[in-house]
Amino acid sequence: ETAVFQTPNYHVTQVGNEVSFNCKQTLGHDTMYWYKQDSKKLLKIMFSYNNKQLIVNETVPRRFSPQSSDKAHLNLRIKSVEPEDSAVYLCASSRDRGGSDYTFGSGTRLLVI
Amino acid sequence: GDSVTQTEGQVALSEEDFLTIHCNYSASGYPTLFWYVQYPGEGPQLLFRASRDKEKGSSRGFEATYDKGTTSFHLRKASVQESDSAVYYCALRSNTGYQNFYFGKGTSLTVIP
Repeated sequence: ETAVFQTPNYHVTQVGNEVSFNCKQTLGHDTMYWYKQDSKKLLKIMFSYNNKQLIVNETVPRRFSPQSSDKAHLNLRIKSVEPEDSAVYLCASSRDRGGSDYTFGSGTRLLVI
Repeated sequence: GDSVTQTEGQVALSEEDFLTIHCNYSASGYPTLFWYVQYPGEGPQLLFRASRDKEKGSSRGFEATYDKGTTSFHLRKASVQESDSAVYYCALRSNTGYQNFYFGKGTSLTVIP
C-alpha cells in the first residue's frame, strides 16, 4: 500500500516532556511537510523538507524540530511540550516542491496535560 | 501574496438539502484550485481539482467551477447525506514563481439525518 503513515495515532503527555512523532511515505515523493491542525480545524504549515532543504515557518517555536533520515521519512520532535501544543499534527508529502499529488497522513493527536 | 478565503466556518444542514461552500482566491495568473475533504479521524484527502478558467471539477456528487472572473471556486452539492459530514478545505497552488500551496480555513459541515 502506498500512502503516508504516521505513528502514534494518539499521545498523552505532561507539560515539559519530550515527544517524537514519526512519518513515513511510500509514494516516492520528494517533499514532506508537517502541519498543525488546531481545535478550529485551521491548518498551519510548520515545516517543509525537500532534497535536504528545510523551510521553516518562522512562527514555529524553537522547541519544535523536524528530523529526516531520507526523503521518505520526516519525524517531528517537540523538546518540552506546553499546553498550547495540544493539537493534531498532520504529515503530508507531495511529488515535488510544487505540491503535486499532495497526500496527508491520518494525523497524530497530542494532548498535553 | 496568494491566499484562499472560505467564508463559512461551520454549516449545518438537513439531509437532502443543497450545499454551497464559498471559496474565493487571490493569486496571479492561473493557479490550480483544489477541494479537500477530511472525515473524522483521518487526514484531508483530495476531492477534486481544476486548473483552467471554466473547468469543472467533480467527485462523489460534489462539484465546483473555476471562475477567474470572480476568482471563485465554490463547492456545491445538490443533496447532502449524513455521510458528507466532514471538514472541507479549499486550496490553491500558485503556478508562478515558487509554487506554494495554500489552504483555506476549512468549513465544518454537519448533516442532520
